[in-house]
Amino acid sequence: KNQVEQSPQSLIILEGKNCTLQCNYTVSPFSNLRWYKQDTGRGPVSLTIMTFSENTKSNGRYTATLDADTKQSSLHITASQLSDSASYICVVTRYKLSFGAGTTVTVRA
Amino acid sequence: GAVVSQHPSRVICKSGTSVKIECRSLDFQATTMFWYRQFPKKSLMLMATSNEGSKATYEQGVEKDKFLINHASLTLSTLTVTSAHPEDSSFYICSALTVNTEAFFGQGTRLTVV
Repeated sequence: KNQVEQSPQSLIILEGKNCTLQCNYTVSPFSNLRWYKQDTGRGPVSLTIMTFSENTKSNGRYTATLDADTKQSSLHITASQLSDSASYICVVTRYKLSFGAGTTVTVRA
Repeated sequence: GAVVSQHPSRVICKSGTSVKIECRSLDFQATTMFWYRQFPKKSLMLMATSNEGSKATYEQGVEKDKFLINHASLTLSTLTVTSAHPEDSSFYICSALTVNTEAFFGQGTRLTVV
């Protein structure tokens, strides 16, 4: 069983709307939890990074939250734009990187 | 954030030839780098972990003689796909780990073997 599970697998939202992506993990404790954005045909780019003791981290319209008790993290995208269409990957680092399968977000006009 | 440069971004080669992909950490030293392979619409699949000055650790099912990894310095790791075949065509991505265990990714290399 994967140590990092993401949901939903994919979602479609209208431009300007908000959405929330989920990441459930079993790696505990960990060094950091990161959310990456990967555009098609490109390498992942870091959006946010949180240590084990942090609860929230923002980067523009992206806000990540972390609940160490429930072992859940979420990525909230506010006022989505067409350029937000991408895969979003949750990665938990302890001694190695544990990847979620990603959530594919499609923003439509 | 830190910068990881991967080169080339695209390469087309003939079957039977070898292709070298470079991964450089531009503004930090990386004792550990990772190499991934990604199929269309799939998640990154770890191929091997590269440690500076020592042999790479390959994941199960990855042929070490097929995918040669060299990590000769703290800022450079290379992946050489030897005797490439069309089934090796894929998207290859590297990442480098900082001392704070933050991972930064290269831009990826699209390999097409014809």
